[in-house]
Amino acid sequence: AQSVTQLDSQVPVFEEAPVELRCNYSSSVSVYLFWYVQYPNQGLQLLLKYLSGSTLVKGINGFEAEFNKSQTSFHLRKPSVHISDTAEYFCAVSRTSSNTGKLIFGQGTTLQVKP
Amino acid sequence: NAGVMQNPRHLVRRRGQEARLRCSPMKGHSHVYWYRQLPEEGLKFMVYLQKENIIDESGMPKERFSAEFPKEGPSILRIQQVVRGDSAAYFCASSPQGVGEQYFGPGTRLTVT
Repeated sequence: AQSVTQLDSQVPVFEEAPVELRCNYSSSVSVYLFWYVQYPNQGLQLLLKYLSGSTLVKGINGFEAEFNKSQTSFHLRKPSVHISDTAEYFCAVSRTSSNTGKLIFGQGTTLQVKP
Repeated sequence: NAGVMQNPRHLVRRRGQEARLRCSPMKGHSHVYWYRQLPEEGLKFMVYLQKENIIDESGMPKERFSAEFPKEGPSILRIQQVVRGDSAAYFCASSPQGVGEQYFGPGTRLTVT
């Protein structure tokens, strides 16, 4: 079975500072990896995905993430955050070989950007 | 291209009533997933459907919950005899294939009084 751990439940940061949101996963099989963002009372928006290829993936809104297979991590980074980045961020995995592409989510990290 | 549509956005039901949640996937997507977001519990997979077929219902509660995705029309998640513990946000997602990224709707927030 797969599991996802987001190591920080809340991350406060000042505007224009860099940020890293950590995600580790556990799986005995290969996985696809995703980061989603959820603004208050809204659905989830796909930020970026790792399916194969380069381990450094770039997403929307200036975010990027690096897949580290040996450390089973997929940390999300942004070099300079804005107030509008305040939201909840979810890391998720799904098995690459399966008859179901269901996503297994971490508990989420609330990013609080302060002026 | 319209995104995933869900309705209603908010639904209030009294204990014992039925709740019906609807989801229209993105155009061209034939794979639909339902997730539930409970306070303090995060997002949990419930069921995965393709047109007219339930592929994986391993996350569905054994009683009172059912889902369908008919040949024509939206996918429906049905909760019979709702209880207060069913209060949650229910999200639908769709994908063009059975694996890879999924695109989420805005959710239906169910409140059971």
